[in-house]
Amino acid sequence: QKEVEQDPGPLSVPEGAIVSLNCTYSNSAFQYFMWYRQYSRKGPELLMYTYSSGNKEDGRFTAQVDKSSKYISLFIRDSQPSDSATYLCAMSEAGGYQKVTFGIGTKLQVIP
Amino acid sequence: DAGITQSPRHKVTETGTPVTLRCHQTENHRYMYWYRQDPGHGLRLIHYSYGVKDTDKGEVSDGYSVSRSKTEDFLLTLESATSSQTSVYFCAISEQLNTEAFFGQGTRLTVV
Repeated sequence: QKEVEQDPGPLSVPEGAIVSLNCTYSNSAFQYFMWYRQYSRKGPELLMYTYSSGNKEDGRFTAQVDKSSKYISLFIRDSQPSDSATYLCAMSEAGGYQKVTFGIGTKLQVIP
Repeated sequence: DAGITQSPRHKVTETGTPVTLRCHQTENHRYMYWYRQDPGHGLRLIHYSYGVKDTDKGEVSDGYSVSRSKTEDFLLTLESATSSQTSVYFCAISEQLNTEAFFGQGTRLTVV
């Protein structure tokens, strides 16, 4: 079993839909949770960063962490064709001495 | 965009030849990382650096070496390239170890 599980998709949604992207993990020591967006043939771009549990909102994006269920989510409201990309979750333990573990990414396509 | 430049952006090389990839940053971040990205595996850490001349191995370091002689430059060397090292290589930088990072645009390496 991988330490971080992420459905690779692809996930196709109509423009304007609410998108839910998710990752599950097995390491209860993970404390830092990140979401990256990666356009085709580009480097990952940091979208959201949260520490421990709770929600964080930034514009149309909301990141949620449920540590009791070992489950994190990224919600995209009013999705746009420009949101079409691969979304990577990533997480690491407190203290920074353990590497960041990435999910394999979910490919999202927003259809106009 | 964070000031990270990778060179070259594309390279085709023959099996058995040495290859050096360069990462240059203008952000003065202490930590620098080399990752490879392969389908089905996500991003995997090759090596990282926590200061000039200070480096350590990641999870897939066999066949790779690194050097950091200046804060801004981090070199990845494949001593004798193999076909299994065909991949997309990303450099990343961060202010704190193993937290949110900024990625370069990637180097697409093909070993034939």
